[in-house]
Amino acid sequence: GQQLNQSPQSMFIQEGEDVSMNCTSSSIFNTWLWYKQDPGEGPVLLIALYKAGELTSNGRLTAQFGITRKDSFLNISASIPSDVGIYFCAGQNRDDKIIFGKGTRLHILP
Amino acid sequence: DVKVTQSSRYLVKRTGEKVFLECVQDMDHENMFWYRQDPGLGLRLIYFSYDVKMKEKGDIPEGYSVSREKKERFSLILESASTNQTSMYLCASSLMELGAFTHNEQFFGPGTRLTVL
Repeated sequence: GQQLNQSPQSMFIQEGEDVSMNCTSSSIFNTWLWYKQDPGEGPVLLIALYKAGELTSNGRLTAQFGITRKDSFLNISASIPSDVGIYFCAGQNRDDKIIFGKGTRLHILP
Repeated sequence: DVKVTQSSRYLVKRTGEKVFLECVQDMDHENMFWYRQDPGLGLRLIYFSYDVKMKEKGDIPEGYSVSREKKERFSLILESASTNQTSMYLCASSLMELGAFTHNEQFFGPGTRLTVL
């Protein structure tokens, strides 16, 4: 079946650094979604992307829908301690099914 | 704001017990989903439903069943719990939009962490 390759699996960064993570696939998606999951909680939707090439921001977060429709990235600028968590990408395919990546676990060092 | 609630945050059951996990959403969404989340495996879809009394198997339905008697409520049932069903269970809901530009973002509940002893 379709798969999303999300990388990196985990990141250790210093507070204040910028963060970049991405998702790639061999398949085309119509929508890309980015979620964040805090420890012990359910995922919360951060950004939704609907068009190839679209660049959308939500505060310090910026995400882009790749031109080929097979990838997406998420950037976090000037990281703060509350950014800690797992970030998931998800793509909606032509059958309207949502496929999830396995997540990027973000750790922030003081 | 969409609100998806799950009946328990933490649950401990014994092997062989029947377990009910309840999920309720308050935004009149047609679609509802049950996932389990395990380290290194990400989110895996167990069952989903597009309408009342309708259900479809996801990627890992074995050992589970579901019930959707009302639009706002979707229940996951473990008929005879086993230790390999220890996991975090997440419920989600989304609107049903048809057409070329569907926006079917899923909204998640807080999760139920189930431990089967």
